Amino acid sequence: EAGVAQSPRYKIIEKRQSVAFWCNPISGHATLYWYQQILGQGPKLLIQFQNNGVVDDSQLPKDRFSAERLKGVDSTLKIQPAKLEDSAVYLCASSLAGTVFNEQFFGPGTRLTVL
Amino acid sequence: AQKVTQAQTEISVVEKEDVTLDCVYETRDTTYYLFWYKQPPSGELVFLIRRNSFDEQNEISGRYSWNFQKSTSSFNFTITASQVVDSAVYFCALKKGNEKLTFGTGTRLTIIP
Repeated sequence: EAGVAQSPRYKIIEKRQSVAFWCNPISGHATLYWYQQILGQGPKLLIQFQNNGVVDDSQLPKDRFSAERLKGVDSTLKIQPAKLEDSAVYLCASSLAGTVFNEQFFGPGTRLTVL
Repeated sequence: AQKVTQAQTEISVVEKEDVTLDCVYETRDTTYYLFWYKQPPSGELVFLIRRNSFDEQNEISGRYSWNFQKSTSSFNFTITASQVVDSAVYFCALKKGNEKLTFGTGTRLTIIP
């Protein structure tokens, strides 16, 4: 079974530029998560989708971050414009459903560096 | 508010030694779940264990064991006879119901051959 796929793996941009990340979850997984992991910290949930609807985006900086999950499968996370403090690894995860009993499977992440 | 503390930022041990990673949590809820994840250099988090607040039995899985003590709000993780492949960052996490996972800051474990 293929795991969670993410691209690109690495991205370097200058501040005020825009960037987008892509995630393809495990087939059949209804729930998709985007996390931000700043160096030396644990992952922080940015947004959770159930199919193509948003369940939790309380920690998403909506003035510059946006995410969508069209057709309830792939998802993109966009930052516009980027700030220096956005430098982090962005992890995508998926699970069969959003309950605590459903294990989250993580992708390898996209490492973003903002100069 | 929920909080997870992993006071050990980095640990290094020689191969075949045992090592314990500490996790202390804070929550006002009586029903919650605790997790451990492993993050190898490749970057993805790998699920290791989930434990609910009503099950204080210790668990052993091969060289891994977990000690859950509600009295001290701790959920410690021990690796017996460590191996180089155990080198990774380990995260403890807490979840209440269907709310988001709250992660600790992680412990970087280095096994020296």
